[in-house]
Amino acid sequence: AQSVAQPEDQVNVAEGNPLTVKCTYSVSGNPYLFWYVQYPNRGLQFLLKYITGDNLVKGSYGFEAEFNKSQTSFHLKKPSALVSDSALYFCAVRPPGANNLFFGTGTRLTVIP
Amino acid sequence: EAGVAQSPRYKIIEKRQSVAFWCNPISGHATLYWYQQILGQGPKLLIQFQNNGVVDDSQLPKDRFSAERLKGVDSTLKIQPAKLEDSAVYLCASSATGAGNTIYFGEGSWLTVV
Repeated sequence: AQSVAQPEDQVNVAEGNPLTVKCTYSVSGNPYLFWYVQYPNRGLQFLLKYITGDNLVKGSYGFEAEFNKSQTSFHLKKPSALVSDSALYFCAVRPPGANNLFFGTGTRLTVIP
Repeated sequence: EAGVAQSPRYKIIEKRQSVAFWCNPISGHATLYWYQQILGQGPKLLIQFQNNGVVDDSQLPKDRFSAERLKGVDSTLKIQPAKLEDSAVYLCASSATGAGNTIYFGEGSWLTVV
């Protein structure tokens, strides 16, 4: 069965520092991987996805993610955090042959001014 | 390009009452999804449509939940009768056909059952 793990419920980082939000997955085959962000009282906004090709994927708002097949990870990164990045971040996986997403439990990012 | 539209945004009902949520997907998107997001958890798929046909409703509590997409465009999700544990955000999403396509979400319909 497929699963997505976000091992940290909460990540705190100082404004201007680099940030990392971790995600690992357990899926047979080569899945598609996604990151979404959710601001308070809002829906999910798409940030980026990995389908194939370069392991480093660039997305919206300066975010990027690195796909590591051997470690089955897809960590979200940003070189310099902004206070406005504070939100709930979800990693999601689409297993081969599936057309829907399976989500992790989310990581709340707080950027401290 | 207009995004996924959902209404109402917020709804408070008493247990055993009924409620309906409406969704209009992004124009041209054949696939429509309803997800349930309980506070503190990630979204979970309730039902997936391809055009007006159901692709996956294995996680839909069919004794109380129903959904339809009669003309292959907009969709309605109904809960009757509601239980306290149905308090959640109901997210509608859509995508073009194809596994690599991005799924885009609406703002959600926030349900509180009291």
